[in-house]
This record gives sequence, structure tokens and C-alpha cells, in this order.
Amino acid sequence: DIQMTQSPSSLSASVGDRVTITCRASQSISSYLNWYQQKPGKAPKLLIYAASSLQSGVPSRFSGSGSGTDFTLTISSLQPEDFATYYCQQSYSTPSITFGQGTRLEIK
Amino acid sequence: EVQLVESGGGLVQPGGSLRLSCSASGFTFSSYAMHWVRQAPGKGLEYVSAISSNGGSTYYADSVKGRFTISRDNSKNTLYLQMSSLRAEDTAVYYCVKGPRVTMIVVAYFDYWGQGTLVTVSS
Repeated sequence: DIQMTQSPSSLSASVGDRVTITCRASQSISSYLNWYQQKPGKAPKLLIYAASSLQSGVPSRFSGSGSGTDFTLTISSLQPEDFATYYCQQSYSTPSITFGQGTRLEIK
Repeated sequence: EVQLVESGGGLVQPGGSLRLSCSASGFTFSSYAMHWVRQAPGKGLEYVSAISSNGGSTYYADSVKGRFTISRDNSKNTLYLQMSSLRAEDTAVYYCVKGPRVTMIVVAYFDYWGQGTLVTVSS
């Protein structure tokens, strides 16, 4: 299985900060990388697909980049509603897809 | 509006069985492969199972292979997950999930998720 490792595992930041979360794959996955946001007690929500494509309805402060093994999710200016847990997911080895362990973004 | 509504979760003893259902609306259910993803309490996401649009192909994670059976009834727009020989480690919220319009089991991304149904395996 392809292992997905996110860093950091948790992060404290303030409203207005620029935040970057990293996801690293154990082997090259081209651009088959997606990002999700999950708030407590809720289902995950798709933010970014194919590494850099913004899902419809997602604010433009969210962006994704990377290819191969290293990927980033950037939030350009944190808003109060952005405090949540973020997961990356690879679809290169479909159907044996895997998720990262998650990055918890907390208010400083 | 796409809606996925899971039901059937609950408390079951180790070794027991449970059947989850997912009622789908707002899209042409019979044209989409469908999936189950689970999340243990306080843990991350785990891909569990998938089924092609016509039900002819299925996929299972190694952790549930031989114990879980995915199926669908396109006439009722409903997805199922029959779970047997349940273990404590199967305790999780189970999400019914859809992706882009593909008939085969090819996972690109998951664009709609149900609210989830909690399965607790405990004596």
C-alpha cells in the first residue's frame, strides 16, 4: 500500500495567518492527490482534487500544489470556519486508495 | 441536491452481524460506482469497500475481506454493507460516499458524503 504522511500532525494558528500543510507519499503518485476538511461530528468535505483543482463552492483562499511524492495544501488567510482537521488522500493506486493520518488545525 | 442517508448502525456484540443501508437521491444512482469509508472514534479515515454501478464488481479492504459484503439495489437507489463476524476494531462511523460519474471501481475523489452511521462492537 502507498503510505501517506502528513505534517504537522497538529498546528496552532491565528485568524488571518497563512498556513501550509504537507502530505508526502511513499512512492510517486503523479497528481492523484485530494484534500478534505472535516469538522467535529461532520463528514469530510472535498476541498481540492487532482492536487490543485479547487472543488466547486470552496473558497479561493484554499489552494493545492505538488506532484510526485510531495504535496501542499495552503490556506492563504485563515478564517474562523477553517479550524478543522485536514486529510490528504491518494487515488493513484485505485481502488487501494489511502488517506493521510490527518492534520488538526487549532486556534492559537 | 445530492443526498446520501445512512442507516442501520447500532450496538452489536463481537461476532455479530449488522446491515447498513444508504439511501441515495439527487443523482442517477445507477450510473455511479459507490463506496463505504469508515472512521474509528478519534481516528483517521479508512477506505472499506466499493461496488461498480451495476453491482458486477466489488472491492474490499484487506481488513474486512471475507467478513463484509457490499451490494446495491438500483431500483431502490440504495447501497448496502452487510457486516458479519464483527470485531471491536470495526467500531467506527461508516460513511456512504460517491465520487465522479464512473461505472467501474475507479476512485478519483469523493465529492459527496453521507452523515455517517455509528457501529459499536462491544459486549
